[in-house]
Amino acid sequence: AQSVAQPEDQVNVAEGNPLTVKCTYSVSGNPYLFWYVQYPNRGLQFLLKYITGDNLVKGSYGFEAEFNKSQTSFHLKKPSALVSDSALYFCAVRDDSGYSTLTFGKGTMLLVSP
Amino acid sequence: ETGVTQSPTHLIKTRGQQVTLRCSSQSGHNTVSWYQQALGQGPQFIFQYYREEENGRGNFPPRFSGLQFPNYSSELNVNALELDDSALYLCASSERPGQTYEQYFGPGTRLTVT
Repeated sequence: AQSVAQPEDQVNVAEGNPLTVKCTYSVSGNPYLFWYVQYPNRGLQFLLKYITGDNLVKGSYGFEAEFNKSQTSFHLKKPSALVSDSALYFCAVRDDSGYSTLTFGKGTMLLVSP
Repeated sequence: ETGVTQSPTHLIKTRGQQVTLRCSSQSGHNTVSWYQQALGQGPQFIFQYYREEENGRGNFPPRFSGLQFPNYSSELNVNALELDDSALYLCASSERPGQTYEQYFGPGTRLTVT
């Protein structure tokens, strides 16, 4: 079975500072990893994905994520946070077993203060 | 390009009733997945449809059923509603059912069961 852990319910950061939202995963095969963002009363928006190749993946709105196979982690990062980045962030994983369901973490609320 | 749309936006039902939620996939996408997002939780996979056939199912009882139509739109039906069915129901479409394809989510239908 595959699973995702987001160890922080909330991350607080000041505008202009770097941010990191943590994610660890567990799969039986090779992982395919995704980050999504959810604004209030909205569906999820795709940010980025790791399939294979470079461990540093660049995505939308200046976000990037670092894949670390030995630590089974896929942390979301941004060099300089904006107040408008405040939202709920979800990490999700699939494995390569042939079944394409996404398994999500519980989400991390990011609050960026002015 | 038209995004994923869902209807209705909000719905209030009574325990024991039946409900039908609708989803139109993004243009060019033939795969639709449904998720249930309870308050404070990440989305949980209900099932996926590809070319009008169920292509995988999560840990949900048979009273959760679905359909996909030739134009790739989809319905989620829930019979014998229970209080715990109160949640945000998200529909997501993707270009293909494979693991490397990201899913694009609609805004969701908020279902309240009283």
